[in-house]
Amino acid sequence: GENVEQHPSTLSVQEGDSAVIKCTYSDSASNYFPWYKQELGKRPQLIIDIRSNVGEKKDQRIAVTLNKTAKHFSLHITETQPEDSAVYFCAASYSNKLVFGAGTILRVKS
Amino acid sequence: ETGVTQTPRHLVMGMTNKKSLKCEQHLGHNAMYWYKQSAKKPLELMFVYSLEERVENNSVPSRFSPECPNSSHLFLHLHTLQPEDSALYLCASSLGQTTGELFFGEGSRLTVL
Repeated sequence: GENVEQHPSTLSVQEGDSAVIKCTYSDSASNYFPWYKQELGKRPQLIIDIRSNVGEKKDQRIAVTLNKTAKHFSLHITETQPEDSAVYFCAASYSNKLVFGAGTILRVKS
Repeated sequence: ETGVTQTPRHLVMGMTNKKSLKCEQHLGHNAMYWYKQSAKKPLELMFVYSLEERVENNSVPSRFSPECPNSSHLFLHLHTLQPEDSALYLCASSLGQTTGELFFGEGSRLTVL
């Protein structure tokens, strides 16, 4: 069935270090993979997305990679800052809807 | 502001109460969604409306009843809820029903006593 696994569930990094969050999906027909950031008490907001016709996408300190063969995709945050602390959700498209992972709590320690 | 507004932000209700959650979007989007967010669980899609027609009902119990009177407004009517229904209920909208960016509201925090 439709399933998105996300790891790790929590991640603590020192300010300036990199953070990597990984997701796997089950349906090879999935073609859209967004990442959402949710700060404490706030709404989820899209930070980056990738479609299945590309393998990598970058936006300043954030990058997403996609491996269609292995059915996994990852979020990479470089030079982490305290304001990067939040919950990050990955998602994969299934039949015109999005299925979300369970989220990763990222804590950036200064 | 993302243009998606939810009211109330917080709601406490007993199991026999009837209440409603309201969502309004000013983005000119054609699709609206209700999601349930519980601690340490994935966001759960509940309902999808596209051009005011319900296109998805994700096996949601009948004690949750959605209503979409027009493309800008979405309601979730609540009746005889259970304590396990306590969660953050998020409304979202998108330009079309095919996958693209979801714009979320700030959510309605529901507590069922």
